[in-house]
Amino acid sequence: EVQLVESGGALVQPGGSLRLSCAASGFTFSSYWISWVRQAPGKGLEWVANIKEDGSDKYYVDSVKGRFTISRDNAKNSLYLQMNSLRAEDTAVYYCARQYNWNDGLDYWGQGTLVTVSS
Amino acid sequence: DIQMTQSPSTLSASVGDRVTITCRASQSISRLAWYQQKPGKAPKLLIYKASSLESGVPSRFSGSGSGTEFTLTISSLQPDDFATYYCQQYNSFPYTFGQGTKLEI
Repeated sequence: EVQLVESGGALVQPGGSLRLSCAASGFTFSSYWISWVRQAPGKGLEWVANIKEDGSDKYYVDSVKGRFTISRDNAKNSLYLQMNSLRAEDTAVYYCARQYNWNDGLDYWGQGTLVTVSS
Repeated sequence: DIQMTQSPSTLSASVGDRVTITCRASQSISRLAWYQQKPGKAPKLLIYKASSLESGVPSRFSGSGSGTEFTLTISSLQPDDFATYYCQQYNSFPYTFGQGTKLEI
């Protein structure tokens, strides 16, 4: 069974840092692109970042460039999102989701982890 | 960045109705997906590449369109279909989502 399980969400003060993790199982993790997608409370979906299967290419939405870093460890079947200089507007549920290639959508999603940025 | 605009924002319908949701892209794309999301749950992929039905998704869901205009159609609404629907372009980075359409009873 395909599973993506996020962890690491917490309450953090503005300007603080947090590292999210996404543990994958039930599929060949190293063959998939993985994205982080977030959803602020009561709002729509916002794509945040993507990393290609071997970690060679990474992409970010403008609002997080220079603050967030996506990475992966294929030996551990894990994805990470290092979030620095956090702002109130980063408050959201963060999902990881997999994508096989350019032709496919985000076909499996984790259950999400909540990040709250507040003093 | 490619902007995605969905309409309507809210749609009221009844069980058995045929409903259509529209998504417009700010430039021509070929890679478009549709997702269903229920409260407190992760999104679920319904359609990819504009018209390909994801495995396990009921055939009452269909997608069509090309270029800048796309539609999601539910041929006969079932009680389980009342949810929020999002389109997403994955033609180029940054990926972008429409603002969502809430389908209400």
